[in-house]
Amino acid sequence: KAGVTQTPRYLIKTRGQQVTLSCSPISGHRSVSWYQQTPGQGLQFLFEYFSETQRNKGNFPGRFSGRQFSNSRSEMNVSTLELGDSALYLCASSLTGTDTQYFGPGTRLTVL
Amino acid sequence: AQSVTQLDSQVPVFEEAPVELRCNYSSSVSVYLFWYVQYPNQGLQLLLKYLSGSTLVKGINGFEAEFNKSQTSFHLRKPSVHISDTAEYFCAVSGGATNKLIFGTGTLLAVQP
Repeated sequence: KAGVTQTPRYLIKTRGQQVTLSCSPISGHRSVSWYQQTPGQGLQFLFEYFSETQRNKGNFPGRFSGRQFSNSRSEMNVSTLELGDSALYLCASSLTGTDTQYFGPGTRLTVL
Repeated sequence: AQSVTQLDSQVPVFEEAPVELRCNYSSSVSVYLFWYVQYPNQGLQLLLKYLSGSTLVKGINGFEAEFNKSQTSFHLRKPSVHISDTAEYFCAVSGGATNKLIFGTGTLLAVQP
C-alpha cells in the first residue's frame, strides 16, 4: 500500500505571497492532519480534517487554512506569507482519526 | 492539557552500546503514547506505540519502550545501536476527544563508530 504523499517536496516563495500544499493520504484513510516543524517551535499541530470537515484546529492565525476533498486528499493554504512561515510542513493520515497517524515526507517551504 | 518532555536534546553513544531515550508526559486523561524517528530531510516514521495492554511495547529496528503510569514515563530503549540509528527521535502523546499529537522537543541520537 502506498504511503502518504506530499507535493511539492520543496517550495520557495517571497513574503506576501500565498502557497498551497497538497497531501494524499494512505488509501482508505479518512483523517488527515497537518503539522508545522520549525527549529524554534518544534512540531506543532495545525489542523485535522475528517470526511471533508475540519475537526480540530491548532493555535495558528487565520492565514493558515485547509480543506479536504471527497477522496480524502487534503490541501493547506497559507496566505500573506511571512519569513516565520519557513518550515517543514508534515501531513499525517489515519484510518478513523482516533488511531495511529502515518506521516508523509513533508514539504519544505522557504519564505524569502 | 497534555505535554511531553524529552529531557535530553542529544545523546551520543558508541556503536553496539545500549541506549535509553527518556520521555515523560503529563495528561489529565488516558493517553496513547508514540515514538517516531526522523532521518535527515525526511518525514516521521512510527517506531512503536502504546495504546493499551502490555506496558512493554516492541517496535521496529529492535527498539522497545515501557509505559510506566506511576512515573508518567515512556522511555525508549535499544540494547545495541548501529550507525544507521543516528536520527532525531520524537516522543508524542494523544488522548481524550482529539487525535492531535503533542510532541516532545526531540532527542538527537548520535551513534559514533
